Amino acid sequence: SQELEQSPQSLIVQEGKNLTINCTSSKTLYGLYWYKQKYGEGLIFLMMLQKGGEEKSHEKITAKLDEKKQQSSLHITASQPSHAGIYLCGADRNQFYFGTGTSLTVIP
Amino acid sequence: NAGVMQNPRHLVRRRGQEARLRCSPMKGHSHVYWYRQLPEEGLKFMVYLQKENIIDESGMPKERFSAEFPKEGPSILRIQQVVRGDSAAYFCASSPRGQGVNTGELFFGEGSRLTVL
Repeated sequence: SQELEQSPQSLIVQEGKNLTINCTSSKTLYGLYWYKQKYGEGLIFLMMLQKGGEEKSHEKITAKLDEKKQQSSLHITASQPSHAGIYLCGADRNQFYFGTGTSLTVIP
Repeated sequence: NAGVMQNPRHLVRRRGQEARLRCSPMKGHSHVYWYRQLPEEGLKFMVYLQKENIIDESGMPKERFSAEFPKEGPSILRIQQVVRGDSAAYFCASSPRGQGVNTGELFFGEGSRLTVL
C-alpha cells in the first residue's frame, strides 16, 4: 500500500521554540509536498520537493528531502501561534496521497 | 482568479437521504480529486476525474458513492442513502496536470462538511 508515516502525531510547543515534523515513505517518492490545514478549513500548499537532498524555505519554515527521496522533514524556527494547525505531507506515486498529519499547538 | 469552489460548506442530512457535493475547479484545471477526512483521521483519497472521465476510483466505497465531472459544470460527489458513518469533511482539489508522476501542486477547496443525523 502507499503510505506516508508522519511523526509525531501531535506536538505542543511554547511560542518561540523550534520544532521538526517528519514524513517517511517505504518507497522512493517522485515528489513530496507539504500542506498546512487550519481547523475547519482547506489545505494550504507550503512547499514541494522533488530532488534528493533538496531543501526549501519559506519564511520560518524549512523542508528537506533526503538523498534517497524517502524521508522529508519540516522544520519551524521560532514558532508562533499562527503556525498552529495540522501539517500534512503528500506524495504522488500513481495516486496523490497524504500522511496521517501532525497536529501542532503553539502556546503563547 | 477564483480558487477551487466547493458547496455547500455544510450539509445536514438524515439517514437514508441523498447528499450532493459540488466542486468547481480552478480555471484552466481539468483534473479533479475528491478526498474524505474523518474526525481524527487523515485525508483519504476517493476518486480522480478528468472532464467526463473517471480515471481512478479505487478509494471510493463500492456502494452508494458516485462521482462525475461533466463537460459543463462542476464535479459532483453523490452519496445515496447516507448513514452516520458518512459524516466527514469532503475536500475537492484540482490541478492542471493529472495524477501519477510529478503531479505538481494540488489546489484545495475549503471542504464540504456533511453531518448525518
